[in-house]
Amino acid sequence: DTGVSQDPRHKITKRGQNVTFRCDPISEHNRLYWYRQTLGQGPEFLTYFQNEAQLEKSRLLSDRFSAERPKGSFSTLEIQRTEQGDSAMYLCASSFDGPPDTQYFGPGTRLTVL
Amino acid sequence: GNSVTQMEGPVTLSEEAFLTINCTYTATGYPSLFWYVQYPGEGLQLLLKATKADDKGSNKGFEATYRKETTSFHLEKGSVQVSDSAVYFCALPYNAGNMLTFGGGTRLMVKP
Repeated sequence: DTGVSQDPRHKITKRGQNVTFRCDPISEHNRLYWYRQTLGQGPEFLTYFQNEAQLEKSRLLSDRFSAERPKGSFSTLEIQRTEQGDSAMYLCASSFDGPPDTQYFGPGTRLTVL
Repeated sequence: GNSVTQMEGPVTLSEEAFLTINCTYTATGYPSLFWYVQYPGEGLQLLLKATKADDKGSNKGFEATYRKETTSFHLEKGSVQVSDSAVYFCALPYNAGNMLTFGGGTRLMVKP
């Protein structure tokens, strides 16, 4: 299977701890996106990369959040000093560069902050 | 930026019933439009898309037509199955950039 993969699938942490998630995109895709989805809502955009460059960040991405994509392949999303409000599903997607820019999503990482 | 509004659920239907889930959009220009589906416990899957006005996207018996006159992209299926039970999301690019903005999702429950 050559789809988008995410690790871990589930993460339970205590408030104040740091967590890091990993996303491996479809190998030939050069765009990579992070979204957050809370229960009963649609996904909300967090940030996106074209190759290794982080091109856009949502105002949802507070300074406790940081994302990287070294070498333009996999990406990591780190949340520092987690808060209970960070509990959500974190989704990663990837796409080709160019229209129609169809994004393919991974299974997500479910974060629970106690 | 662009935005999308879709009908709230849940929508409960009997097997073989006709399905319509409404989606309307506000956009600058004519961006691509998407329907994604999320089955219980799974991630988002692309269901269908349309890249220009009057295009019809179709997949697995589902169809949606990009209508610029009514700024709509309603999802339809002629005969739903229990296995279609899922949450359906309408989406389009937020702006000239590439991130998607999603509707709130519509939960479909199909009873045998």
